[in-house]
Amino acid sequence: EVQLLESGGALVQSGGSLRLSCVASGFSFSNYGMSWVRQAPGKGLEWVSAVSGGGFHAYYAGSVAGRFAISRDNSRNTLYLELNNLRADDTAVYYCARDQVWGSSWSFDYWGQGTLVTVPS
Amino acid sequence: QSALTQPPSASGSPGQSVTISCTGTSSDVGGYPYVSWYQQHPGKAPKLIIYEVSERPSGVPDRFSGSKSGNTASLTVSGLQADDEADYYCSSYAGNNRMYFGSGTTVTVL
Repeated sequence: EVQLLESGGALVQSGGSLRLSCVASGFSFSNYGMSWVRQAPGKGLEWVSAVSGGGFHAYYAGSVAGRFAISRDNSRNTLYLELNNLRADDTAVYYCARDQVWGSSWSFDYWGQGTLVTVPS
Repeated sequence: QSALTQPPSASGSPGQSVTISCTGTSSDVGGYPYVSWYQQHPGKAPKLIIYEVSERPSGVPDRFSGSKSGNTASLTVSGLQADDEADYYCSSYAGNNRMYFGSGTTVTVL
């Protein structure tokens, strides 16, 4: 059974940093691209970042480029998202999600339950 | 960030059909065959129900169908059931390794 379990969410002051983790199980982690998607309270979904299976290719939404960094450790089946220079509008539940097919489709067939990041204004 | 445009709400009675639109541009919805749809119940993670415009993942009932015409994609839910009451989001690849989600539609089963 495919499972994704996020952790690391917290309340952090504006300008602060945080690292989110997502531990994957039930599939060959290194064979799949992974993404982070966030959802502000009461709002819609926003794609944040994606990384290839080998970790060599990383992509970012314009709203986080230069502040967030995605990475992965395939030996630990773990996906990371480093959040820096946090702002109030980064407040959201952050989901990790598995790409069905890297480089095409751009669809996510499995999602974690999310971890909440709160940046007070 | 340019979210795709969806109607805020849609509704139908049990057994009826409801169709949700997702309007983008020729740079996203109209330019690529990579439109997906997700269902999200309150407090839960999204669930993929349509990918690549009209493909259904294994286990998704054929009551859910997707299509696209020009810059607008559509999701139709036929034979509405109580459990279909949820938020629905479209998404589309937008080139240059970016993607966008739609603004979301809340479906109410009357």
